[in-house]
Amino acid sequence: DVKVTQSSRYLVKRTGEKVFLECVQDMDHENMFWYRQDPGLGLRLIYFSYDVKMKEKGDIPEGYSVSREKKERFSLILESASTNQTSMYLCASSFSGTYNEQFFGPGTRLTVL
Amino acid sequence: AQSVTQLDSQVPVFEEAPVELRCNYSSSVSVYLFWYVQYPNQGLQLLLKYLSGSTLVKGINGFEAEFNKSQTSFHLRKPSVHISDTAEYFCAVRGWGGSQGNLIFGKGTKLSVKP
Repeated sequence: DVKVTQSSRYLVKRTGEKVFLECVQDMDHENMFWYRQDPGLGLRLIYFSYDVKMKEKGDIPEGYSVSREKKERFSLILESASTNQTSMYLCASSFSGTYNEQFFGPGTRLTVL
Repeated sequence: AQSVTQLDSQVPVFEEAPVELRCNYSSSVSVYLFWYVQYPNQGLQLLLKYLSGSTLVKGINGFEAEFNKSQTSFHLRKPSVHISDTAEYFCAVRGWGGSQGNLIFGKGTKLSVKP
C-alpha cells in the first residue's frame, strides 16, 4: 500500500512562529504536493515539486515556502505564522506522467493563535 | 484554464436511496477527471477516474460516474447509499500547461446519509 505520512495530525502555534510541516512518502514518487483545505473552498495548491530540489508555486504560495532535499520528503514552511494560516494542510504524492493519481496523507490541522 | 464546479455543497439523503453528486468542468484540452472521497478526519482517497475510453467509469464502494463531453459533466452516482458513505466528495480535473500534473479541485460536496 502507498503510504503518505504527515508529521502531526494537530498542531497549535503562535503568531510569528516559524512552522514546519513534514510529509514523507514511501513509494518512490517523483511528484509531491502541498494543499490547503478550507471549508467551502475545497483544496488549493500551495506548492508542488516534481524532483529533488525542484519546486513550483501553486495557486496560493504567499506566506509559504517548501524544501525537498530527499525524494521521499517534502516540507512546508510557514516563515512567520499568521492567524489566517489556520487551516487543514494536506500532502500528496504521485508518479510523474499524465495518468497518475495522487495519494494523500491524513492531513495536519494547524491552529495559529 | 481548467476549472471544476460542484453544483451542490451539501446533499442529504436517506439510507438505501440513490444519490447523484454533480460536477461540471471546463477545459479546452483533453480531459482527465477524478472523484475523491474524504471521510471525517482523514485524507482524500481516489474513488474513480476517467482518462479515456468508456464514458461510464466504475469505482470503489459501488460508485460510478459518467463522462459527458457535450454537457461537460462528470456526475457521480450510487444506486443505494449506506450510512458509511457519509463523507465529503471532491471532483477534480487534471491541470495542463503550467499546472501540468496537478489536480484542480472543486469545492466539495458533503454527502450526509440519514437512517
